[in-house]
Amino acid sequence: DVKVTQSSRYLVKRTGEKVFLECVQDMDHENMFWYRQDPGLGLRLIYFSYDVKMKEKGDIPEGYSVSREKKERFSLILESASTNQTSMYLCASSTQTGVNNSPLHFGNGTRLTVT
Amino acid sequence: GQQLNQSPQSMFIQEGEDVSMNCTSSSIFNTWLWYKQDPGEGPVLLIALYKAGELTSNGRLTAQFGITRKDSFLNISASIPSDVGIYFCAGRVISNNNDMRFGAGTRLTVKP
Repeated sequence: DVKVTQSSRYLVKRTGEKVFLECVQDMDHENMFWYRQDPGLGLRLIYFSYDVKMKEKGDIPEGYSVSREKKERFSLILESASTNQTSMYLCASSTQTGVNNSPLHFGNGTRLTVT
Repeated sequence: GQQLNQSPQSMFIQEGEDVSMNCTSSSIFNTWLWYKQDPGEGPVLLIALYKAGELTSNGRLTAQFGITRKDSFLNISASIPSDVGIYFCAGRVISNNNDMRFGAGTRLTVKP
């Protein structure tokens, strides 16, 4: 079974702090993703990466950056946290299967509160 | 980007009843996925569909990839209390393998 592990389940940070959310997957997947989930809005893609050191902006990249130094690890960085970044953050991974990518496999999420 | 239209938003049903939910999109998809999310957890994949018209079952769950490639439904038969949770549809846009769109979810409550 694919395992996607997010380092923290709950985080509370202050406005202006730099925040790191870490995600590790153990299935050698090429693709990794960061989403945020807010009530009524569904999942929105922040950034994704299809290879080491590669990154692509998703739908809502503003206020975030990412790092993919190793294939198994994808980090989401909030340079200066703001209260509107309070949310559930979900990491996911997938691999290339033929002409398609496999389904996304999600971690358990990190619920971030910015006060 | 445009998210999927998922309905209903919520359902309150009696144990043993059947459930149906669906998703529609204005875009053509090459993949439809259905996930379930329990409180405080990440979404877990239930069913993956890759061909128009495909009908796939996973236990009491059945899902179909619409012929038009713009819709999908999920049915749950003979619901039980552990079916409670939020069900999400997701679709992969045919023109972009990394463009995954999500529905806002259907919150299912099952009364014993």
